[in-house]
Amino acid sequence: AQSVTQPDIHITVSEGASLELRCNYSYGATPYLFWYVQSPGQGLQLLLKYFSGDTLVQGIKGFEAEFKRSQSSFNLRKPSVHWSDAAEYFCAVGVNNNDMRFGAGTRLTVKP
Amino acid sequence: GAVVSQHPSWVICKSGTSVKIECRSLDFQATTMFWYRQFPKQSLMLMATSNEGSKATYEQGVEKDKFLINHASLTLSTLTVTSAHPEDSSFYICSASYGTAYNEQFFGPGTRLTVL
Repeated sequence: AQSVTQPDIHITVSEGASLELRCNYSYGATPYLFWYVQSPGQGLQLLLKYFSGDTLVQGIKGFEAEFKRSQSSFNLRKPSVHWSDAAEYFCAVGVNNNDMRFGAGTRLTVKP
Repeated sequence: GAVVSQHPSWVICKSGTSVKIECRSLDFQATTMFWYRQFPKQSLMLMATSNEGSKATYEQGVEKDKFLINHASLTLSTLTVTSAHPEDSSFYICSASYGTAYNEQFFGPGTRLTVL
């Protein structure tokens, strides 16, 4: 069965430090991969997506993610975190029949 | 483009009453709409998928008589929580897709339901 794993429930980084959020998936074919961010009480905002082509994907707000087929991973990165990046981050996999499966989420806290 | 709205953004109701939540695709025709439920500090759980003019397909464990979904047009889907109880309190998020090859869904801002 398709699944998405975000191993880190909560990550704390200092403002200005680099960030990497991990995402691993289990899916038989080449997946469609997404990263979303959610602020408290808000809906989901798409950060970036991967469908095909270049495995390094650039998104909004300075985020990027790299698709590594051999590791079944799609980790999200940002070189320098801002206090406004504190939020919940969800990795998602698009599967057949318009379905989408979400990881459990990683909560990011940014220290001053 | 691809904007999805939800109304209301929050609602408080008494136990036993029914609540309707609307999901609209504002600038595209949504062939498929999805309803998710999110408990505090948890991920999104798909409740049901609906195609315009067809009955919704519910995920296992979701009571279809409890959560009525209507997708009457290509821009509107509604979720009605019937005879709501406090355990139905949650954040409900809809999304819509216009049938691209990549299954991309566009998400609404969510509706916070509190049942007293």
